[in-house]
Amino acid sequence: GAGVSQTPSNKVTEKGKYVELRCDPISGHTALYWYRQSLGQGPEFLIYFQGTGAADDSGLPNDRFFAVRPEGSVSTLKIQRTERGDSAVYLCASSPALQPGELFFGEGSRLTVL
Amino acid sequence: AQSVAQPEDQVNVAEGNPLTVKCTYSVSGNPYLFWYVQYPNRGLQFLLKYITGDNLVKGSYGFEAEFNKSQTSFHLKKPSALVSDSALYFCAVRDIEGYSTLTFGKGTMLLVSP
Repeated sequence: GAGVSQTPSNKVTEKGKYVELRCDPISGHTALYWYRQSLGQGPEFLIYFQGTGAADDSGLPNDRFFAVRPEGSVSTLKIQRTERGDSAVYLCASSPALQPGELFFGEGSRLTVL
Repeated sequence: AQSVAQPEDQVNVAEGNPLTVKCTYSVSGNPYLFWYVQYPNRGLQFLLKYITGDNLVKGSYGFEAEFNKSQTSFHLKKPSALVSDSALYFCAVRDIEGYSTLTFGKGTMLLVSP
């Protein structure tokens, strides 16, 4: 497709379970970003990939959160031992490399931890 | 560190009147500045950006924003509001030098009444 695709759009899980969220960026975009948006807040940065490597993971809240991008395209955000506080909308964005312009966002994956 | 402040949680304006949504920023160097809009249950949509050049930038849907370096502001404006402009608006900043991610404000809800 033409835009950033995120799956699933909604995920409900129980406390303690493992969750994977997938992002398929715009074709040709080498930079990929994960953000988290809690209710009433702006998006908060989690991690940024340039190609296959995580260029900046300083926003990951703790070691339960991990993200991969093994082939430099699709990325998966993995959350272990989910907690109720992890409930949020997880946004993925992509951009072409080495340009100062805007990020292109997907519609997000809404995670609810019961 | 870079940061964005949106001092108003909500802005109310009557249709046909001009609107302003305020944003101030803090970066260590020179900024790239962005405005995004978010409709209910949708991802972030890019509106406009300031990279360099004219301080007044024009974007989608008739919106414009003025970069003011001395006041470190980048307020969003529109001469005549529409009811369909009602949405959540986010200002974001990226430092030109070094830091590669966007930092967002907490958002301002714009409500345009008929």
